[in-house]
Amino acid sequence: DSGVTQTPKHLITATGQRVTLRCSPRSGDLSVYWYQQSLDQGLQFLIQYYNGEERAKGNILERFSAQQFPDLHSELNLSSLELGDSALYFCASSVEGEGRDEQYFGPGTRLTVT
Amino acid sequence: AQKVTQAQTEISVVEKEDVTLDCVYETRDTTYYLFWYKQPPSGELVFLIRRNSFDEQNEISGRYSWNFQKSTSSFNFTITASQVVDSAVYFCALSEGANFGNEKLTFGTGTRLTIIP
Repeated sequence: DSGVTQTPKHLITATGQRVTLRCSPRSGDLSVYWYQQSLDQGLQFLIQYYNGEERAKGNILERFSAQQFPDLHSELNLSSLELGDSALYFCASSVEGEGRDEQYFGPGTRLTVT
Repeated sequence: AQKVTQAQTEISVVEKEDVTLDCVYETRDTTYYLFWYKQPPSGELVFLIRRNSFDEQNEISGRYSWNFQKSTSSFNFTITASQVVDSAVYFCALSEGANFGNEKLTFGTGTRLTIIP
């Protein structure tokens, strides 16, 4: 158990809908990362937050947004969902958000868009 | 731009054999960090090891060992006396941690390792 929690574990929804994925980092970790794992794109970085502020953006679609709250939990919002958004979404956390820090991953949320 | 290549898509070995997973990386930074993660069939990503670019010492942890060679930009992972529980997808990853805002992990495409009993 990494100490990172993600809910829900599975999510099935229809095209055009909006969903929210939730992540709680390990106790004491200030930085949260979101990654998407799909068959065609592999594991891709989406966005990073550090202590409530956005720090880096990767290949995140405009239909996707995220935030980190004062209690350090984070939410990833996916809207106008398309079939291609079906993937495993991971949240990871690290102590300071520096490159040398290990990132510990949650169990993931498997999103299926039908 | 950073890149990680895991040329071996799938490897199968018989239990108790040794197996090496290859990882080649590209980066322009002189300070960077390399990682290996394991993704078992249950799906979670498990951190295995981190190496920084200034430390080329090989590392051994039980049946696992890692060989980091800057001259060939490689960070290979060897499992000795493989066991069925080692069956998983293994990912090599790179972080260019010297620059603020560039701490993200860039992953390779993974190597699926199957240990045959």
